Amino acid sequence: AQSVTQPDIHITVSEGASLELRCNYSYGATPYLFWYVQSPGQGLQLLLKYFSGDTLVQGIKGFEAEFKRSQSSFNLRKPSVHWSDAAEYFCAVAGRAAGNKLTFGGGTRVLVKP
Amino acid sequence: DTEVTQTPKHLVMGMTNKKSLKCEQHMGHRAMYWYKQKAKKPPELMFVYSYEKLSINESVPSRFSPECPNSSLLNLHLHALQPEDSALYLCASRRDTEAFFGQGTRLTVV
Repeated sequence: AQSVTQPDIHITVSEGASLELRCNYSYGATPYLFWYVQSPGQGLQLLLKYFSGDTLVQGIKGFEAEFKRSQSSFNLRKPSVHWSDAAEYFCAVAGRAAGNKLTFGGGTRVLVKP
Repeated sequence: DTEVTQTPKHLVMGMTNKKSLKCEQHMGHRAMYWYKQKAKKPPELMFVYSYEKLSINESVPSRFSPECPNSSLLNLHLHALQPEDSALYLCASRRDTEAFFGQGTRLTVV
Protein backbone atom coordinates (compact mmCIF):
# COMPACT_ATOMS: atom_id res chain seq x y z
CA ALA A 1 0.00 0.00 0.00
CA GLN A 2 1.18 3.50 -0.74
CA SER A 3 1.63 6.07 2.00
CA VAL A 4 3.15 9.47 2.69
CA THR A 5 4.59 10.79 5.94
CA GLN A 6 5.14 14.44 6.69
CA PRO A 7 6.96 14.45 10.04
CA ASP A 8 6.40 18.13 10.85
CA ILE A 9 2.85 19.14 11.74
CA HIS A 10 3.72 22.82 12.20
CA ILE A 11 6.67 24.93 11.13
CA THR A 12 7.17 28.58 12.03
CA VAL A 13 9.61 30.57 9.95
CA SER A 14 10.57 34.24 9.80
CA GLU A 15 9.83 36.17 6.65
CA GLY A 16 12.88 36.10 4.42
CA ALA A 17 14.27 32.93 5.99
CA SER A 18 14.60 29.62 4.18
CA LEU A 19 12.04 26.86 4.46
CA GLU A 20 12.30 23.10 4.14
CA LEU A 21 9.36 20.72 4.47
CA ARG A 22 10.02 17.01 4.79
CA CYS A 23 8.20 14.24 2.99
CA ASN A 24 8.81 10.49 3.01
CA TYR A 25 6.84 8.10 0.85
CA SER A 26 6.23 4.42 0.52
CA TYR A 27 5.42 3.00 -2.90
CA GLY A 28 6.21 -0.31 -4.56
CA ALA A 29 7.40 1.08 -7.89
CA THR A 30 8.50 4.42 -9.25
CA PRO A 31 5.86 6.87 -8.13
CA TYR A 32 4.63 10.21 -9.20
CA LEU A 33 5.26 12.71 -6.40
CA PHE A 34 3.60 16.05 -5.82
CA TRP A 35 3.49 18.99 -3.48
CA TYR A 36 0.21 20.86 -3.11
CA VAL A 37 -0.57 24.02 -1.14
CA GLN A 38 -3.90 24.88 0.43
CA SER A 39 -5.03 28.18 1.88
CA PRO A 40 -7.84 28.06 4.48
CA GLY A 41 -11.15 26.91 3.02
CA GLN A 42 -9.71 26.64 -0.48
CA GLY A 43 -8.91 23.86 -2.89
CA LEU A 44 -5.47 22.45 -3.54
CA GLN A 45 -2.97 24.14 -5.83
CA LEU A 46 -0.15 22.16 -7.36
CA LEU A 47 3.30 23.57 -6.52
CA LEU A 48 5.42 21.02 -8.35
CA LYS A 49 5.65 17.43 -9.48
CA TYR A 50 8.22 14.71 -10.07
CA PHE A 51 7.80 12.02 -12.70
CA SER A 52 11.28 11.06 -13.84
CA GLY A 53 14.58 12.51 -14.93
CA ASP A 54 16.23 15.37 -13.07
CA THR A 55 15.76 14.78 -9.35
CA LEU A 56 15.65 18.50 -8.56
CA VAL A 57 12.39 19.96 -9.77
CA GLN A 58 11.32 23.56 -9.90
CA GLY A 59 7.80 24.72 -9.19
CA ILE A 60 5.72 27.81 -8.92
CA LYS A 61 6.17 30.61 -6.35
CA GLY A 62 9.91 29.95 -6.07
CA PHE A 63 9.59 26.43 -4.62
CA GLU A 64 11.78 23.47 -5.49
CA ALA A 65 11.90 19.85 -4.37
CA GLU A 66 14.48 17.12 -4.51
CA PHE A 67 13.67 13.46 -5.09
CA LYS A 68 15.99 11.06 -3.28
CA ARG A 69 15.16 7.47 -4.13
CA SER A 70 17.61 6.01 -1.60
CA GLN A 71 15.88 7.90 1.21
CA SER A 72 12.34 7.66 -0.19
CA SER A 73 12.11 11.38 0.29
CA PHE A 74 10.78 14.35 -1.64
CA ASN A 75 11.53 17.44 0.44
CA LEU A 76 10.24 20.87 -0.48
CA ARG A 77 12.38 23.99 -0.17
CA LYS A 78 12.17 27.72 -0.65
CA PRO A 79 15.19 30.00 -0.18
CA SER A 80 13.27 33.01 1.14
CA VAL A 81 9.69 32.85 2.37
CA HIS A 82 7.11 35.56 1.99
CA TRP A 83 4.19 36.21 4.34
CA SER A 84 1.88 34.90 1.61
CA ASP A 85 3.49 31.45 1.89
CA ALA A 86 1.64 30.85 5.14
CA ALA A 87 -0.61 27.89 4.32
CA GLU A 88 -0.98 24.12 4.61
CA TYR A 89 1.35 22.05 2.47
CA PHE A 90 0.61 18.49 1.40
CA CYS A 91 2.96 15.97 -0.15
CA ALA A 92 1.26 13.31 -2.26
CA VAL A 93 2.11 10.09 -4.09
CA ALA A 94 0.30 8.43 -6.96
CA GLY A 95 0.65 5.56 -9.34
CA ARG A 96 1.31 6.30 -12.96
CA ALA A 97 -2.08 5.49 -14.43
CA ALA A 98 -4.76 8.15 -14.35
CA GLY A 99 -7.19 6.10 -12.28
CA ASN A 100 -4.71 5.20 -9.57
CA LYS A 101 -4.98 6.46 -6.02
CA LEU A 102 -3.55 9.85 -5.13
CA THR A 103 -2.60 9.63 -1.45
CA PHE A 104 -1.75 12.60 0.74
CA GLY A 105 0.50 13.02 3.71
CA GLY A 106 -0.86 14.54 6.90
CA GLY A 107 0.19 18.03 5.92
CA THR A 108 2.49 20.67 7.38
CA ARG A 109 1.11 24.02 8.47
CA VAL A 110 3.53 26.85 7.80
CA LEU A 111 3.32 30.02 9.87
CA VAL A 112 5.36 33.05 8.79
CA LYS A 113 6.53 35.56 11.38
CA PRO A 114 7.09 39.17 10.33
CA ASP B 1 -8.16 25.53 -19.37
CA THR B 2 -7.03 23.70 -16.23
CA GLU B 3 -10.16 24.36 -14.28
CA VAL B 4 -12.28 21.98 -12.25
CA THR B 5 -15.56 23.59 -11.29
CA GLN B 6 -17.53 22.50 -8.25
CA THR B 7 -21.04 23.58 -7.37
CA PRO B 8 -22.40 24.65 -5.02
CA LYS B 9 -19.62 26.33 -3.05
CA HIS B 10 -21.58 26.00 0.18
CA LEU B 11 -24.41 23.67 1.15
CA VAL B 12 -26.39 23.32 4.34
CA MET B 13 -28.67 20.30 4.54
CA GLY B 14 -30.78 18.52 7.10
CA MET B 15 -30.29 14.89 7.96
CA THR B 16 -33.42 13.88 6.03
CA ASN B 17 -32.60 15.86 2.89
CA LYS B 18 -31.34 14.64 -0.46
CA LYS B 19 -28.83 16.84 -2.24
CA SER B 20 -26.16 16.52 -4.92
CA LEU B 21 -22.70 17.94 -5.43
CA LYS B 22 -21.52 18.59 -8.95
CA CYS B 23 -18.06 18.62 -10.49
CA GLU B 24 -17.17 19.49 -14.07
CA GLN B 25 -13.96 19.54 -16.10
CA HIS B 26 -13.27 20.11 -19.78
CA MET B 27 -9.64 19.04 -19.93
CA GLY B 28 -10.39 15.63 -21.42
CA HIS B 29 -9.23 13.89 -18.29
CA ARG B 30 -10.54 10.34 -17.96
CA ALA B 31 -10.10 9.93 -14.21
CA MET B 32 -12.11 11.87 -11.66
CA TYR B 33 -11.94 11.75 -7.89
CA TRP B 34 -14.00 12.64 -4.82
CA TYR B 35 -12.20 13.51 -1.60
CA LYS B 36 -13.52 14.43 1.84
CA GLN B 37 -11.51 16.82 3.99
CA LYS B 38 -12.19 17.56 7.62
CA ALA B 39 -10.72 20.65 9.26
CA LYS B 40 -6.95 20.48 9.83
CA LYS B 41 -6.77 17.05 8.15
CA PRO B 42 -5.52 15.88 4.75
CA PRO B 43 -7.96 15.00 1.97
CA GLU B 44 -9.26 11.44 2.25
CA LEU B 45 -10.04 9.56 -0.93
CA MET B 46 -13.67 8.47 -1.32
CA PHE B 47 -14.16 7.40 -4.94
CA VAL B 48 -12.29 7.20 -8.23
CA TYR B 49 -13.87 7.00 -11.65
CA SER B 50 -11.77 5.87 -14.58
CA TYR B 51 -13.25 6.12 -18.08
CA GLU B 52 -16.65 6.78 -16.51
CA LYS B 53 -16.60 3.58 -14.48
CA LEU B 54 -16.23 3.39 -10.72
CA SER B 55 -12.78 1.92 -10.14
CA ILE B 56 -12.15 2.66 -6.47
CA ASN B 57 -14.58 2.92 -3.54
CA GLU B 58 -12.77 3.44 -0.26
CA SER B 59 -15.50 1.72 1.79
CA VAL B 60 -17.62 4.84 1.78
CA PRO B 61 -21.06 4.57 3.47
CA SER B 62 -23.96 4.11 1.06
CA ARG B 63 -25.45 7.46 2.04
CA PHE B 64 -22.85 8.82 -0.41
CA SER B 65 -23.61 7.77 -3.99
CA PRO B 66 -21.31 8.82 -6.83
CA GLU B 67 -22.32 9.10 -10.45
CA CYS B 68 -20.37 9.83 -13.63
CA PRO B 69 -22.90 10.64 -16.39
CA ASN B 70 -20.19 11.50 -18.93
CA SER B 71 -16.47 12.09 -19.16
CA SER B 72 -16.75 15.73 -18.08
CA LEU B 73 -19.15 15.45 -15.18
CA LEU B 74 -19.03 13.85 -11.76
CA ASN B 75 -21.82 13.97 -9.19
CA LEU B 76 -22.01 13.00 -5.55
CA HIS B 77 -25.53 12.27 -4.34
CA LEU B 78 -26.13 12.73 -0.64
CA HIS B 79 -28.93 11.20 1.40
CA ALA B 80 -29.57 10.81 5.12
CA LEU B 81 -26.24 12.32 6.10
CA GLN B 82 -25.01 12.70 9.65
CA PRO B 83 -23.55 15.81 11.29
CA GLU B 84 -20.11 14.14 11.24
CA ASP B 85 -20.30 14.19 7.43
CA SER B 86 -19.87 17.95 7.53
CA ALA B 87 -16.64 18.67 5.67
CA LEU B 88 -15.06 20.17 2.57
CA TYR B 89 -15.72 17.88 -0.41
CA LEU B 90 -13.11 18.16 -3.11
CA CYS B 91 -13.29 16.94 -6.68
CA ALA B 92 -10.24 16.33 -8.84
CA SER B 93 -9.52 15.19 -12.36
CA ARG B 94 -6.40 13.58 -13.73
CA ARG B 95 -5.08 12.32 -17.08
CA ASP B 96 -1.81 10.55 -16.38
CA THR B 97 0.15 13.19 -14.56
CA GLU B 98 -0.96 15.62 -11.91
CA ALA B 99 -4.46 15.97 -10.51
CA PHE B 100 -6.28 19.27 -10.72
CA PHE B 101 -8.59 20.15 -7.87
CA GLY B 102 -11.72 22.21 -7.65
CA GLN B 103 -12.29 24.75 -4.90
CA GLY B 104 -14.55 22.35 -3.04
CA THR B 105 -18.04 22.35 -1.60
CA ARG B 106 -18.30 23.24 2.07
CA LEU B 107 -21.03 20.95 3.39
CA THR B 108 -22.75 21.45 6.71
CA VAL B 109 -25.22 18.82 7.95
CA VAL B 110 -27.65 20.07 10.58
